[in-house]
Amino acid sequence: ELKVEQNPLFLSMQEGKNYTIYCNYSTTSDRLYWYRQDPGKSLESLFVLLSNGAVKQEGRLMASLDTKARLSTLHITAAVHDLSATYFCAVDGFGNEKLTFGTGTRLTIIP
Amino acid sequence: DTAVSQTPKYLVTQMGNDKSIKCEQNLGHDTMYWYKQDSKKFLKIMFSYNNKELIINETVPNRFSPKSPDKAHLNLHINSLELGDSAVYFCASLQSGTSGFYEQYFGPGTRLTVT
Repeated sequence: ELKVEQNPLFLSMQEGKNYTIYCNYSTTSDRLYWYRQDPGKSLESLFVLLSNGAVKQEGRLMASLDTKARLSTLHITAAVHDLSATYFCAVDGFGNEKLTFGTGTRLTIIP
Repeated sequence: DTAVSQTPKYLVTQMGNDKSIKCEQNLGHDTMYWYKQDSKKFLKIMFSYNNKELIINETVPNRFSPKSPDKAHLNLHINSLELGDSAVYFCASLQSGTSGFYEQYFGPGTRLTVT
C-alpha cells in the first residue's frame, strides 16, 4: 500500500521568512502533485511534477521532486499572509491515475 | 463557467436516510472520481469511473453506490446514512491518456452532515 507522509502537519511562520514542507512517499513514482486548499474551499492545483529532478516555481512557491529519494519539497520564500492555507501533496503511485494524498500541512502566516 | 460542479453544496440529514450527491464536468474529460475528506482533512479516493465504467473501487461500504449515466456525470448515492459518513465529498475529473499531464480538477465539494 502506498503511503504518503507530509511534515510538518502544522506550520506557523512569520511573514518574510522561508520554510520548506516535505512530502515522502513509499513506492516508486514519477508523478507528484501539490494542491492548495483554503478553509471551506476546494483543492487548487499548484504544481505537477512528472520526472526526477523536476523543479517548478510560481511566485513565492517552488516545488521539486527527487524520485530516487521518494521526496518532494514545497519551498516558501518570503512568506506573505495570502499563502495561509492547507497544502497537500499527492502521488500517483502506480501510474493508474489514482492519487494517494498526504496528510496535509496547515500553514499559517503571522503578520 | 464552472469546470466541475457538485450539488448540493451542503446536505444535512438524519441517520438512516438515503441521499444522493451529483457531479457534472464540462471539461470533456473521460475519467471522474469521488473523494472523501474527513474532519481531520484527510483525503481518500473512493471511486473512479472511466467512460462510465467503474475503474477504482476502494474499500468503501456497499451503502455507497456511484452511478455514471454518461462520461460528464458521476453521482454518488448513499443508503442508510451513518454518523461516520459526515464529511466533505469531492468530485474530480481527469483527461486520461494525455501525454505527460494528468492533472485532476476538483469540484467545490459537498459538506454532508449526518445527525
